[in-house]
Amino acid sequence: EAQVTQNPRYLITVTGKKLTVTCSQNMNHEYMSWYRQDPGLGLRQIYYSMNVEVTDKGDVPEGYKVSRKEKRNFPLILESPSPNQTSLYFCASSSRTGMGNQPQHFGDGTRLSIL
Amino acid sequence: GQNIDQPTEMTATEGAIVQINCTYQTSGFNGLFWYQQHAGEAPTFLSYNVLDGLEEKGRFSSFLSRSKGYSYLLLKELQMKDSASYLCAHRDDKIIFGKGTRLHILP
Repeated sequence: EAQVTQNPRYLITVTGKKLTVTCSQNMNHEYMSWYRQDPGLGLRQIYYSMNVEVTDKGDVPEGYKVSRKEKRNFPLILESPSPNQTSLYFCASSSRTGMGNQPQHFGDGTRLSIL
Repeated sequence: GQNIDQPTEMTATEGAIVQINCTYQTSGFNGLFWYQQHAGEAPTFLSYNVLDGLEEKGRFSSFLSRSKGYSYLLLKELQMKDSASYLCAHRDDKIIFGKGTRLHILP
């Protein structure tokens, strides 16, 4: 089954304790992306990657890191989490053609609470 | 810069038709997507336009006018399960989403 898998689904942690949210896709997609979704602000792109070893900042990259060492995986790293990073996070992937990105396939989301 | 605007909330009646508008400004344009998102769930793809005109997919249609920076999503024969948020998004290397339109369906 084609899917984007992110883990964990829920996490409560404390300020300053490094954490990683994993994301894996089995569709051989070139493009992967992380979003955060907050009430009244909608989905905002954190980082994206157009292929292995290629990553770029989205609209809200501060406080986050990513890596793309393999095509299928795109982990999101919070080196020193703060309460303002409490949010619902989505990973997504899509293929790319000569016209650009195809529709995004989303993971089920990770609800992150930083105390 | 890049910006996408859509209404925050709309209400419609079961069985009716509703049109959700989306306006955008962007320096480059590679197409516009529409997604549906039920509360607490991930967005799912609905429709996509890269050329001007109407794309029809069953009860859902989407329209694009590139010269006006305008798109709409048309939902026909509304059902209660259509109660959700509807998101429009630029398709570019950096993907920009609108804040979403929450659609309430009344019986």
